[in-house]
Amino acid sequence: KNQVEQSPQSLIILEGKNCTLQCNYTVSPFSNLRWYKQDTGRGPVSLTIMTFSENTKSNGRYTATLDADTKQSSLHITASQLSDSASYICVVSAWQYGNKLVFGAGTILRVKS
Amino acid sequence: NAGVTQTPKFQVLKTGQSMTLQCAQDMNHNSMYWYRQDPGMGLRLIYYSASEGTTDKGEVPNGYNVSRLNKREFSLRLESAAPSQTSVYFCASSGKVTGGRLSNQPQHFGDGTRLSIL
Repeated sequence: KNQVEQSPQSLIILEGKNCTLQCNYTVSPFSNLRWYKQDTGRGPVSLTIMTFSENTKSNGRYTATLDADTKQSSLHITASQLSDSASYICVVSAWQYGNKLVFGAGTILRVKS
Repeated sequence: NAGVTQTPKFQVLKTGQSMTLQCAQDMNHNSMYWYRQDPGMGLRLIYYSASEGTTDKGEVPNGYNVSRLNKREFSLRLESAAPSQTSVYFCASSGKVTGGRLSNQPQHFGDGTRLSIL
């Protein structure tokens, strides 16, 4: 079983709408949780990094939340744009693996006009 | 500002051939990594180098070797390519290692090498 599960697998929304992507993880203890955006044919780009003591972190229209008790994180995208079409990847940094990163499979978001 | 540069971008090999994937970063980062990304799966760590002169195995090292040539460059070698190694390979780098563990800073990725093995 993957230690980092993301849902939904894919999502289509209209431009201008908001959406929320989910991440559940079993990695414990962890040092930080990250969200990356990966455009088609490109490498992942970091959006946010949260330590276990942080509940929320924003980067422009992207807001990540973290509940370390339930081992859940979400990424909220506000007022979506066509350029938000990408794969969004949740990543947990695991202490027991020397802080190596454990990657989710990603949620593919398509924003249509 | 190039960041992390990977070459080649695409490659097709026959089973049993060898090749080296190149990676260079210009951010003066200490740590560098090699990942593979397969459909429906998260990125998986092949090898990493916490600092110049050191390399360590990741989650899926079998069939690969690496060389940290200097602080800027980290190469990945497939000695005898197999169809199971068809994948997209990403190199990444990050800042200073603290306390002997990998950095908590963001990793910066290249745009990948798409490798097909027939």
